[in-house]
Amino acid sequence: RKEVEQDPGPFNVPEGATVAFNCTYSNSASQSFFWYRQDCRKEPKLLMSVYSSGNEDGRFTAQLNRASQYISLLIRDSKLSDSATYLCVVNAGYALNFGKGTSLLVTP
Amino acid sequence: DAGVTQSPTHLIKTRGQQVTLRCSPKSGHDTVSWYQQALGQGPQFIFQYYEEEERQRGNFPDRFSGHQFPNYSSELNVNALLLGDSALYLCASSLIGQNEAFFGQGTRLTVV
Repeated sequence: RKEVEQDPGPFNVPEGATVAFNCTYSNSASQSFFWYRQDCRKEPKLLMSVYSSGNEDGRFTAQLNRASQYISLLIRDSKLSDSATYLCVVNAGYALNFGKGTSLLVTP
Repeated sequence: DAGVTQSPTHLIKTRGQQVTLRCSPKSGHDTVSWYQQALGQGPQFIFQYYEEEERQRGNFPDRFSGHQFPNYSSELNVNALLLGDSALYLCASSLIGQNEAFFGQGTRLTVV
């Protein structure tokens, strides 16, 4: 079983839609949780950290459920510029463990 | 403030050859990690260096080795290249004790 599993996608949504990504992780000792964004043929960039209390950054909301070992990312009012691959990332120890990524395409 | 820089950006090598990739961390960062990202996959952790020592290693063979220099920059060496080593190699830097990691633009290695 992979350490971090994500929705396979791809997600194709119209501008203005709300889209949700889900992720589960297997290591209950994991300490830190993130969502990264990766544009085509570019490096991953940190979108936001994820906290147990949930956190919001503009149109983006992240949630963590430690009991279920489940992480989510909600994007409201999707923009064309949100088109990218979203990577769920879990840190246990020194390594970042990445999911395979979920591709999002926002269309006009 | 320079971010993480990697060189070269692209590289083509022949099976069996050896390759060295380089990384300069973000200013003020002291920890460097290397990742391999195959097409359509998430990055996979290779190893992390701190204080010029390998701190943790992922599930990669001994053909993959690294080094960190006193100025915190790092090299990734891969010997006896295989076709399956073709990937984007990413370097990430961070400050010890902090979780946030910043990635370089990567080196795209093609083995033919």
